[in-house]
Amino acid sequence: DAGVTQSPTHLIKTRGQQVTLRCSPISGHKSVSWYQQVLGQGPQFIFQYYEKEERGRGNFPDRFSARQFPNYSSELNVNALLLGDSALYLCASRSGTLVSYEQYFGPGTRLTVT
Amino acid sequence: AQSVAQPEDQVNVAEGNPLTVKCTYSVSGNPYLFWYVQYPNRGLQFLLKYITGDNLVKGSYGFEAEFNKSQTSFHLKKPSALVSDSALYFCAVRDSGGYNKLIFGAGTRLAVHP
Repeated sequence: DAGVTQSPTHLIKTRGQQVTLRCSPISGHKSVSWYQQVLGQGPQFIFQYYEKEERGRGNFPDRFSARQFPNYSSELNVNALLLGDSALYLCASRSGTLVSYEQYFGPGTRLTVT
Repeated sequence: AQSVAQPEDQVNVAEGNPLTVKCTYSVSGNPYLFWYVQYPNRGLQFLLKYITGDNLVKGSYGFEAEFNKSQTSFHLKKPSALVSDSALYFCAVRDSGGYNKLIFGAGTRLAVHP
């Protein structure tokens, strides 16, 4: 079975631009979360979506937004990019059942803002 | 505040020797704990979890972890290290706020020398 997939793999943007990152969860998984991993740090939670509804939001500015589609794939949008937004953006999926707690991560999208 | 601490930035061990990567946590309520591994330019791979039950949990690739409630620790262990185990290891705890947000430690780099 395919794991979590993310696109693109790498992205270079200029300050002030906007970016959209995409994620497809493991087949059958209904929950998707987004994390930001800055170099040298652990991942930081950005959003969680379940059944197309936002279920949690981390301590990130309103420039960050996301959505989940009927097929459970998800997009993360970041507007007005800053140099500090340069990071590895990770998508994670979870089945969403009450007994499943582990999240499975994709390979990430490396965003560089210049 | 809920948090995870990984007190060692790097752990060095000789191939064939046992390894331990330390993790302590602070969370309200019962802790749901996880270990993930990250190889260069890759996403996070799930190794194991503790939800309830036996304090010693077994995971992928021969890894295990010991949950100690009194010491609020969840150390990762392996009886015999391989060079291929060299990677970045993250401990995480599920946020008790009602959704499946993971709070990660800063990571520990494991270097296994031949």
